[in-house]
Amino acid sequence: DAGVIQSPRHEVTEMGQEVTLRCKPISGHNSLFWYRQTMMRGLELLIYFNNNVPIDDSGMPEDRFSAKMPNASFSTLKIQPSEPRDSAVYFCASSLTAENSPLHFGNGTRLTVT
Amino acid sequence: AQKVTQAQTEISVVEKEDVTLDCVYETRDTTYYLFWYKQPPSGELVFLIRRNSFDEQNEISGRYSWNFQKSTSSFNFTITASQVVDSAVYFCALSEAEAAGNKLTFGGGTRVLVKP
Repeated sequence: DAGVIQSPRHEVTEMGQEVTLRCKPISGHNSLFWYRQTMMRGLELLIYFNNNVPIDDSGMPEDRFSAKMPNASFSTLKIQPSEPRDSAVYFCASSLTAENSPLHFGNGTRLTVT
Repeated sequence: AQKVTQAQTEISVVEKEDVTLDCVYETRDTTYYLFWYKQPPSGELVFLIRRNSFDEQNEISGRYSWNFQKSTSSFNFTITASQVVDSAVYFCALSEAEAAGNKLTFGGGTRVLVKP
């Protein structure tokens, strides 16, 4: 079975540019999560969706960040405009909604903003 | 609010030694779930185990074992007879049942380095 698929694996961009990260969750999973990993702050939840609806976006750092889930098989995380401090690894994860369902993570997108 | 603390930032052992990773959590919920994830040098996050708050039985899976002690709010992880392939960062995480969804709060991680 295919796991969570993220693209691109690596993204290098200049400050001020728009960045779009993409995620395809595991088929049948109805919860989707975006996490960010940095050395300073570790793994932080940015936003999560349940049945394509954003449930909690309290972790989104600023208005420059936005996330969408137009259908059950696709989500995007957009940063506009990007800043050097956005450099991090961004993980997408999906799970079933059942309480004890583990999150399955994608391989992450390493974003570098210069 | 929930919190997960992994006090050990890095542990270095020689192959075949046992290594125990500590995890202490805080939560107000009576029903919650605890997880361990492994992040090898390649960067992906690999699910290892989940445990609910009502099941305090210790669990063993091959060289891995977990010790859940509700009285001390701890969920420790032991790797027996460590191997070089065990070198990774290990994360403990908590999910509260009363929170909508399965969102995880992660500890800061413990880097394990197994030397040959």
